[in-house]
Amino acid sequence: DVKVTQSSRYLVKRTGEKVFLECVQDMDHENMFWYRQDPGLGLRLIYFSYDVKMKEKGDIPEGYSVSREKKERFSLILESASTNQTSMYLCASTVGGLVYEQYFGPGTRLTVT
Amino acid sequence: AQTVTQSQPEMSVQEAETVTLSCTYDTSESDYYLFWYKQPPSRQMILVIRQEAYKQQNATENRFSVNFQKAAKSFSLKISDSQLGDAAMYFCAYRSEGIQGAQKLVFGQGTRLTINP
Repeated sequence: DVKVTQSSRYLVKRTGEKVFLECVQDMDHENMFWYRQDPGLGLRLIYFSYDVKMKEKGDIPEGYSVSREKKERFSLILESASTNQTSMYLCASTVGGLVYEQYFGPGTRLTVT
Repeated sequence: AQTVTQSQPEMSVQEAETVTLSCTYDTSESDYYLFWYKQPPSRQMILVIRQEAYKQQNATENRFSVNFQKAAKSFSLKISDSQLGDAAMYFCAYRSEGIQGAQKLVFGQGTRLTINP
């Protein structure tokens, strides 16, 4: 089975802190994604990566950056956390080409105070 | 840009009954894929069912089936014989055809489904 893991289930950070959210997948997938999930808004794409060191902005990249140094790992970085970044963050991965099922991690509930 | 709309924030159904969740989308593309994902209270999102736009036949997976109306841009999910384990948040999603950078999903707002025993 495909497994996508995220470093933390719950995280509490202070305003202005630099925050790292880590995601690891074990199926050698080319594509990885970071979403944030908010009530009434569904999932919105922050960034995605289709290869090591390659990244593209999603729909809401402001205030975020990403890093993909190894194929299995995709990190989301909040350079200076703000209260409006309090949210659920979901990571997903999928193999490249026309195979399109995305496999999701369990999510990280981030609270910025 | 494509948009996906789920107009029912919450739905409830009696156990063993049938429920239909609605989804509409907006696109100018002719080839695309549609999905329903389920997010149980434990939060791990899983794929329920997929539909390729070029296929006229509605997809079916056991108790889950879709009603795909391409001209109306409608993609509803029917759950038959509802079970307590079906309680979850359900998301409709759209993916445009393509590879690499075009392989993105656009999600609806979600519908929270409650199963009453």
